[in-house]
Amino acid sequence: KAGVTQTPRYLIKTRGQQVTLSCSPISGHRSVSWYQQTPGQGLQFLFEYFSETQRNKGNFPGRFSGRQFSNSRSEMNVSTLELGDSALYLCASSLVRSPGGEQYFGPGTRLTVT
Amino acid sequence: AQSVTQLGSHVSVSEGALVLLRCNYSSSVPPYLFWYVQYPNQGLQLLLKYTTGATLVKGINGFEAEFKKSETSFHLTKPSAHMSDAAEYFCAALGGKSTFGDGTTLTVKP
Repeated sequence: KAGVTQTPRYLIKTRGQQVTLSCSPISGHRSVSWYQQTPGQGLQFLFEYFSETQRNKGNFPGRFSGRQFSNSRSEMNVSTLELGDSALYLCASSLVRSPGGEQYFGPGTRLTVT
Repeated sequence: AQSVTQLGSHVSVSEGALVLLRCNYSSSVPPYLFWYVQYPNQGLQLLLKYTTGATLVKGINGFEAEFKKSETSFHLTKPSAHMSDAAEYFCAALGGKSTFGDGTTLTVKP
């Protein structure tokens, strides 16, 4: 089976712009979670989607949003980008809705905001 | 809120030596505990998952983790370190607002 894929792998944006990141889960997986990884804050949970519904949300401002499509693919959007949004954004898929399911991670999208 | 704490941001061992990476969780955390490994510029790879009722969990690449409810710990071990084990390791509680520890960077000296 193919693993979790994320596109694009690298992205450079300017402050104030918006960005959309995409995640395709492992075939058959219905849960998708998003994380932000930075050197200062480590790995932080953004949100989890299951069956096209947001099930859990981390402590991020409303500029961070996401959605999941009927084929389980997910997108994450960040509006009005700030320098502090520069990070590695990781997507993980799971067969079942949390808690308890093993999450399999994609390679991430490296976002740089200038 | 659930929390996971990894003791020691850096651990250095010699090749062939025992690896011990420490993880403690808050008592409010349900036993959905995991260990992941991250190599440079890559995503996270699942090492092992706690299974309810087990005290010793076996994972990939010779890693094991011992669950001790009395100590709220889930430490990761490997009897003999290999150069290829050098990476960053994360302990995580997945579920609800999933929480990761700050990570421990393992260095293996030849």
